[in-house]
Amino acid sequence: ETGVTQSPTHLIKTRGQQVTLRCSSQSGHNTVSWYQQALGQGPQFIFQYYREEENGRGNFPPRFSGLQFPNYSSELNVNALELDDSALYLCASRITGGRYEQYFGPGTRLTVT
Amino acid sequence: SQQGEEDPQALSIQEGENATMNCSYKTSINNLQWYRQNSGRGLVHLILIRSNEREKHSGRLRVTLDTSKKSSSLLITASRAADTASYFCATVPLYSGAGSYQLTFGKGTKLSVIP
Repeated sequence: ETGVTQSPTHLIKTRGQQVTLRCSSQSGHNTVSWYQQALGQGPQFIFQYYREEENGRGNFPPRFSGLQFPNYSSELNVNALELDDSALYLCASRITGGRYEQYFGPGTRLTVT
Repeated sequence: SQQGEEDPQALSIQEGENATMNCSYKTSINNLQWYRQNSGRGLVHLILIRSNEREKHSGRLRVTLDTSKKSSSLLITASRAADTASYFCATVPLYSGAGSYQLTFGKGTKLSVIP
């Protein structure tokens, strides 16, 4: 157990809908990152939040957005869902300026039909 | 986009044997990390090796890094059935702007350890 939790565990949505995924970081961790992992692939970096500001983004369109709250919990929002958005979404937390290791949550499995 | 490739894509061995997985990457790195993932769930950090290190050990794990060849290997000795999982290497670029810390993963090696 890493201390990082995610909700919900599974989610089924229809193409065109919007979805919000949630993450609660490990205590004391001030940086959260989100990753998308398609079936059979490695995780791909979506974005990172530090002190409630986005400070790094991967190759994902603006319909992927996020929030980080003062208690270091975080949300990933995806608008206008597409079939290719079906994936495991992972959040990871760390302490900026601390050790390099990231601590991953168990993930949310999103299926878009 | 993926940084590089793990090799092999899948590996099946008997319990007690050693398992070796290789990883190649494309850009200059600050460090390289290995993660383990069971059944499509969350990733667990195994070991980190910095760009100025050549070899590192942790329990039954041995990691090597060759920055001139942009490659790394993970050796698991005396494997157990519980080691069955997917293993990913992930790199941190040499220069990260404004504290951004982006892990770039390979596609992973699926290891099966047969009891």
